[in-house]
Amino acid sequence: AQSVAQPEDQVNVAEGNPLTVKCTYSVSGNPYLFWYVQYPNRGLQFLLKYITGDNLVKGSYGFEAEFNKSQTSFHLKKPSALVSDSALYFCATYYGNNRLAFGKGNQVVVIP
Amino acid sequence: DAGITQSPRHKVTETGTPVTLRCHQTENHRYMYWYRQDPGHGLRLIHYSYGVKDTDKGEVSDGYSVSRSKTEDFLLTLESATSSQTSVYFCAIRGELNTEAFFGQGTRLTVV
Repeated sequence: AQSVAQPEDQVNVAEGNPLTVKCTYSVSGNPYLFWYVQYPNRGLQFLLKYITGDNLVKGSYGFEAEFNKSQTSFHLKKPSALVSDSALYFCATYYGNNRLAFGKGNQVVVIP
Repeated sequence: DAGITQSPRHKVTETGTPVTLRCHQTENHRYMYWYRQDPGHGLRLIHYSYGVKDTDKGEVSDGYSVSRSKTEDFLLTLESATSSQTSVYFCAIRGELNTEAFFGQGTRLTVV
């Protein structure tokens, strides 16, 4: 069962513009949320996580994510996108007995 | 990069043959996971382990078995490979609860 949802298949953004990749979750109790990035023919790389504390989480490569409990969302953001940010992005959460579940992924295309 | 190695990196096999993929870690992490990645499905959990000889099923475990006889190795076996098991397989490792997971480089398996 999916515990996170990524509603968009692909996000296109012009270089220099703000980038947002959406994620919503459905987990009972306090969620533990993660974002990963995958470049072509590579494994997944960890970007950032929310466990507790501040709703705005800062991560690698200038990315940040905002945890919103009322909207059950954990959107990934970057103020100014780079062409090199073009990749596949995954939202993830733990559920059940230490299972780590991923969304279907968002392809981000940054247009020069 | 975390000390995690998958082998082989590429394999082509015939329908009906057994196949074993290996995940090896040098981090002494407790948790290990096997995923498959397919277009449109993101990453789906096959099996995971929470200790030596302790394993549990994920969401797509049919046709797969796993073994973990020592901390550093987690084996995924396809008892009788089918074309529907053509995929990219990723192993991940994780330390303590709610920490992020680290991924291997993946194994591209083709069943002909």
